[in-house]
Amino acid sequence: GENVEQHPSTLSVQEGDSAVIKCTYSDSASNYFPWYKQELGKRPQLIIDIRSNVGEKKDQRIAVTLNKTAKHFSLHITETQPEDSAVYFCAASGSQGNLIFGKGTKLSVKP
Amino acid sequence: EPEVTQTPSHQVTQMGQEVILRCVPISNHLYFYWYRQILGQKVEFLVSFYNNEISEKSEIFDDQFSVERPDGSNFTLKIRSTKLEDSAMYFCASSEDRTQHFGDGTRLSIL
Repeated sequence: GENVEQHPSTLSVQEGDSAVIKCTYSDSASNYFPWYKQELGKRPQLIIDIRSNVGEKKDQRIAVTLNKTAKHFSLHITETQPEDSAVYFCAASGSQGNLIFGKGTKLSVKP
Repeated sequence: EPEVTQTPSHQVTQMGQEVILRCVPISNHLYFYWYRQILGQKVEFLVSFYNNEISEKSEIFDDQFSVERPDGSNFTLKIRSTKLEDSAMYFCASSEDRTQHFGDGTRLSIL
């Protein structure tokens, strides 16, 4: 089955800096890669997703890149703000739709 | 914006007892999922449900677990004989296509 690895587990940046979180997946049949943000005690919230027919997608300060050959995808947050502090999870899914999540990255943005 | 709703928000149960977690998916969604998250860990897939039947389940989803869509709106997860290790946050999600929307979760505490 699919396995998703996520790095780093914790990331601390200064406000205004960029943050990059990386994930790798094992199943070449996976074709959908969402990123979720989870604040303490809250539900995971989708922030951006990418499908396997696209190499990059951007939404304001957030971008995701996908390298299908290497089976890795990354989340880029520019101009970070304190409210970006949360745990970020990457996930991968194939045709069945169920999401396999990475272990999460705790992002801390220091003012 | 329509939301996935889950009840109860917190359930405390004695070990060995049955528990039913309830979810109301977004009304026009056709795909339903249950995930769990043990405190401080990643979100883990349990089961997916489409067209009134299970479409996929994980190794976690053993004979103690069952799902049901008893009417046109509710989607339930039943654990027959709870164990201490079932203590976790249980999230319901629904989707129309690939984008999964999560509920706020039910915190299940087994004593």
